[in-house]
Amino acid sequence: DIQMTQSPSSLSASVGDRVTITCRASQSISSYLNWYQQKPGKAPKLLIYAASSLQSGVPSRFSGSGSGTDFTLTISSLQPEDFATYYCQQSYSTLRAFGGGTKVEIK
Amino acid sequence: EVQLVESGGGLVQPGGSLRLSCAASGFTFSSYEMNWVRQAPGKGLEWVSYISSSGSTIYYADSVKGRFTISRDNAKNSLYLQMNSLRAEDTAVYYCARETATRIYYYYMDVWGKGTTVTVSS
Repeated sequence: DIQMTQSPSSLSASVGDRVTITCRASQSISSYLNWYQQKPGKAPKLLIYAASSLQSGVPSRFSGSGSGTDFTLTISSLQPEDFATYYCQQSYSTLRAFGGGTKVEIK
Repeated sequence: EVQLVESGGGLVQPGGSLRLSCAASGFTFSSYEMNWVRQAPGKGLEWVSYISSSGSTIYYADSVKGRFTISRDNAKNSLYLQMNSLRAEDTAVYYCARETATRIYYYYMDVWGKGTTVTVSS
């Protein structure tokens, strides 16, 4: 089974900061990597699919990059509504798997 | 409006059973693969099960294999999860999620329900 590892597990940042979250797969998954945002008590929301494609309606300050085993989600200028938990997820294997999550908190 | 609505959650004793439902609306349900994803209290997301659009292909996470059964009724625009032999560690919010593919078969979960809560406790 493919394991997904995110780092860091949490981070503190200020409004306007550039934030980078990393996701590593235990084997190559090409570009079969998605990113989701989840706020407390809410369902996850798709941000990025296929490693770097921005989902419709998602602000352009969110971007994704990477291929193979190493991927990055970047928020170019953190906004108050971006404080949430972010998850990566691989769709290369039929056994879909999520990373452990990265909680972005207010500094 | 594209929508998924889960139901069927509740309190059940260890070893008991529960059947979750997910009602789809606003899109052609029979054209999409579907997933169940769960989230234990204070924990991250865990993928549970996948079913193809026709229902002919099914996958499960190792943690639920042999105990849970995913199914769908395309005539009723509904997805189901039959959960048997429930354990305390199955306590979670259960989400159904639509899976969409790009033209070159990159898959992603683009529509999610609000979830239904399952509590396994004596």
